[in-house]
Amino acid sequence: DADVTQTPRNRITKTGKRIMLECSQTKGHDRMYWYRQDPGLGLRLIYYSFDVKDINKGEISDGYSVSRQAQAKFSLSLESAIPNQTALYFCATSERLASNEQFFGPGTRLTVL
Amino acid sequence: SQKIEQNSEALNIQEGKTATLTCNYTNYSPAYLQWYRQDPGRGPVFLLLIRENEKEKRKERLKVTFDTTLKQSLFHITASQPADSATYLCAPDDSWGKLQFGAGTQVVVTP
Repeated sequence: DADVTQTPRNRITKTGKRIMLECSQTKGHDRMYWYRQDPGLGLRLIYYSFDVKDINKGEISDGYSVSRQAQAKFSLSLESAIPNQTALYFCATSERLASNEQFFGPGTRLTVL
Repeated sequence: SQKIEQNSEALNIQEGKTATLTCNYTNYSPAYLQWYRQDPGRGPVFLLLIRENEKEKRKERLKVTFDTTLKQSLFHITASQPADSATYLCAPDDSWGKLQFGAGTQVVVTP
């Protein structure tokens, strides 16, 4: 089984709908991250969590919220989806040391109509 | 603001040759820099990490250099193979313990 899983893998929704993307990991890592990827822009950090009680905004948090339900679970919500949130979303994890490599999930392709 | 630049044009290279990718950063001094590989529609996969006090790092056919004076990292794939075709992302840390990713450079290796 994959170490970092994301659900759903693909989602098409309409403007104004609330959407939740879920991420689970079996690596036992403390740190978890949510990124979005748009063509030509690379990965941009939305939110990150260094442990269950520590959640921080990233570069582009407006329009998003997160929940760290447990060490292994980190969910991203779009409260009212808009078309420019159409993107590929990745969850990632890493161990406690900042320099440690990040392990990415397979991604969720979200389309907002 | 912190900025990371990677060549946006695809690098087309013949099998067996060396591919060299450039990552330039401005307005900060990362303590380390990571390189990732990303295949279409998949999550990035870690390849190498190099620290600011290291000039060069190698792993099999991969070599990374880090020049803190030029604010540049070079990523080399020697004896390239078609299986090396992918997009390569550089990711310096942002001084607050998080990575900042470049947009990536696509490498296409033809037989």
